[in-house]
Amino acid sequence: QVQLVQSGAEVKKPGASVKVSCKASGYMFTSYDINWVRQATGQGLEWMGRMNPDSGNTGYAQKFQGRVTMTRNTSKSTAYMELSSLRSEDSAVYYCARGTTLFSMDAWGQGTTVTVSS
Amino acid sequence: DIQMTQSPSTLSASVGDRVTITCRASQSISSWLAWYQQKPGKAPKLLIYKASILESVVPSRFSGSGSGTEFTLTISSLQPDDFATYSCQQYNSYPYTFGQGTKLEIK
Repeated sequence: QVQLVQSGAEVKKPGASVKVSCKASGYMFTSYDINWVRQATGQGLEWMGRMNPDSGNTGYAQKFQGRVTMTRNTSKSTAYMELSSLRSEDSAVYYCARGTTLFSMDAWGQGTTVTVSS
Repeated sequence: DIQMTQSPSTLSASVGDRVTITCRASQSISSWLAWYQQKPGKAPKLLIYKASILESVVPSRFSGSGSGTEFTLTISSLQPDDFATYSCQQYNSYPYTFGQGTKLEIK
């Protein structure tokens, strides 16, 4: 079955960077986009960007341009999201999600909690 | 960016009730709308895509309709497992955007 398994919780200091991984299984990794979505406590879902694992092409929300980098390792069927210059407002649960232009995001990782605190 | 506005923000209902949640887009998104269900501490789960297509294994009591700027999610007869937060999301254009969510509570 399709599964996305993310790396564990992170605690970072302001100004630091965090890199979250998302390992895919149960389907051909290069056939579907990987999206990244975050959710602060008690807040709605916020789309950060997407990556095509086949080409490596990415598209980021303007809000995160210059701070976010999405990459992949196709031999490991794993996608990565790195967010730099962290601030307290970046504390959130970060999700990866498989997607296509037809059905948007049909499979999600379990989420990775990132806490930014001095 | 396309703004997505859901109403109501909170909905109190009883098992067996029929409920409807509305989602409005700030500009036309054709039928490129998805609905998700999310329970506390869990990832969102896709219910409906392209405004009205039920994801496989989603019960038929869920239905979606609409196009352009106005969309609805209807649950025909609420079950205990349905009490959760529901979010709409447009994928007509980047950046993808979500509604703020509707929390469905037990009355």
